[in-house]
Amino acid sequence: GAVVSQHPSWVICKSGTSVKIECRSLDFQATTMFWYRQFPKQSLMLMATSNEGSKATYEQGVEKDKFLINHASLTLSTLTVTSAHPEDSSFYICSAYTPDQPQHFGDGTRLSIL
Amino acid sequence: AQTVTQSQPEMSVQEAETVTLSCTYDTSESDYYLFWYKQPPSRQMILVIRQEAYKQQNATENRFSVNFQKAAKSFSLKISDSQLGDAAMYFCAYRRGNNDMRFGAGTRLTVKP
Repeated sequence: GAVVSQHPSWVICKSGTSVKIECRSLDFQATTMFWYRQFPKQSLMLMATSNEGSKATYEQGVEKDKFLINHASLTLSTLTVTSAHPEDSSFYICSAYTPDQPQHFGDGTRLSIL
Repeated sequence: AQTVTQSQPEMSVQEAETVTLSCTYDTSESDYYLFWYKQPPSRQMILVIRQEAYKQQNATENRFSVNFQKAAKSFSLKISDSQLGDAAMYFCAYRRGNNDMRFGAGTRLTVKP
């Protein structure tokens, strides 16, 4: 069964609203969670890395104020897309890591902004 | 910076035949991990096989095996006895320690019946 749960799997919302995506590690405590973005027919691009209890580290070109990441516990990280616009429409995937475990991926969230 | 290169955007194989997907990477590190992930249309990321750089022996998982050439920084995936269910995007990935995973551009594999 899935060891990383990501919700929602698909969300459609109006331009200007904020959307929160949750990523939970179910069977282990994730010291680090990663957030990726994937455009159609392209690879996964790392957006940010989050460690429990500390601020996320964002990749160059990723707007910190638009993509808010919170990693409040060892089993939960959230990505909030603030004031979303159509260009934010994409597939977002989280991944959870802990030493001695393979890196597990959530099933992804398809975000569509109208 | 670490980069992962997959030079084959698309590959095709006849059912029951063997196909090899190529991957090269660039790193100055000596200790790292390499992975092959499969992404079907559902877009789930499915781990196919993983290789620790310190291990000389090539990893194998049933019909899937790798040819790991550390000096050449090459990590190819061989799929034997290809099945229709093997059709998917395949991503090669590199990870050092607890750092993030870096992905190649992907190879779309088609399996012909």
